[in-house]
Amino acid sequence: NAGVTQTPKFQVLKTGQSMTLQCAQDMNHEYMSWYRQDPGMGLRLIHYSVGAGITDQGEVPNGYNVSRSTTEDFPLRLLSAAPSQTSVYFCASRVSSGTGNTGELFFGEGSRLTVL
Amino acid sequence: AQKVTQAQTEISVVEKEDVTLDCVYETRDTTYYLFWYKQPPSGELVFLIRRNSFDEQNEISGRYSWNFQKSTSSFNFTITASQVVDSAVYFCALSGVPGYALNFGKGTSLLVTP
Repeated sequence: NAGVTQTPKFQVLKTGQSMTLQCAQDMNHEYMSWYRQDPGMGLRLIHYSVGAGITDQGEVPNGYNVSRSTTEDFPLRLLSAAPSQTSVYFCASRVSSGTGNTGELFFGEGSRLTVL
Repeated sequence: AQKVTQAQTEISVVEKEDVTLDCVYETRDTTYYLFWYKQPPSGELVFLIRRNSFDEQNEISGRYSWNFQKSTSSFNFTITASQVVDSAVYFCALSGVPGYALNFGKGTSLLVTP
């Protein structure tokens, strides 16, 4: 059982380049989300999805795009990378609301992105 | 709006000392959920506990204990007889629905030295 898998784990970009951070989960979780972690800032929510075809913005969505075509995948796209997007990105998922939902978010191992 | 404050940025203790990590939260929701996560130096995020707003019972799990007080909007975390392996960043988090749109505090970095 792989859980939440993020790729790549490390990436260096130049300003203006675009890229996609991949996130896949094999737990049939309906809810998926992306966070960024910056020193002294904790984790901040970028985008989230409560199911296939449904996405919404979090606290810091600017410069990022998401889609949810399947339950398993939730890619995060950087449209035109900026140095301010240098960060560690975490994808997380959880079971849908209802019986047995402990609320626990399952996190991927993180993707460290550097924008020069 | 929901907000989580972890006023302690860094804490350093000597092994076997007890240490308490503070968490104060703000929310207008009558039902809400509080969480603690651990991030060891390896970087992964590990779920420790969830507490519902309607359940103020304190909880103990081995050397870990949590004190939830709605009257002071606090959800503090105590490690008894700390160990070097407890060295990590600890995050307190809050949501209106279990795990949904979790709002994290900025974290407390705990260093336990031998």
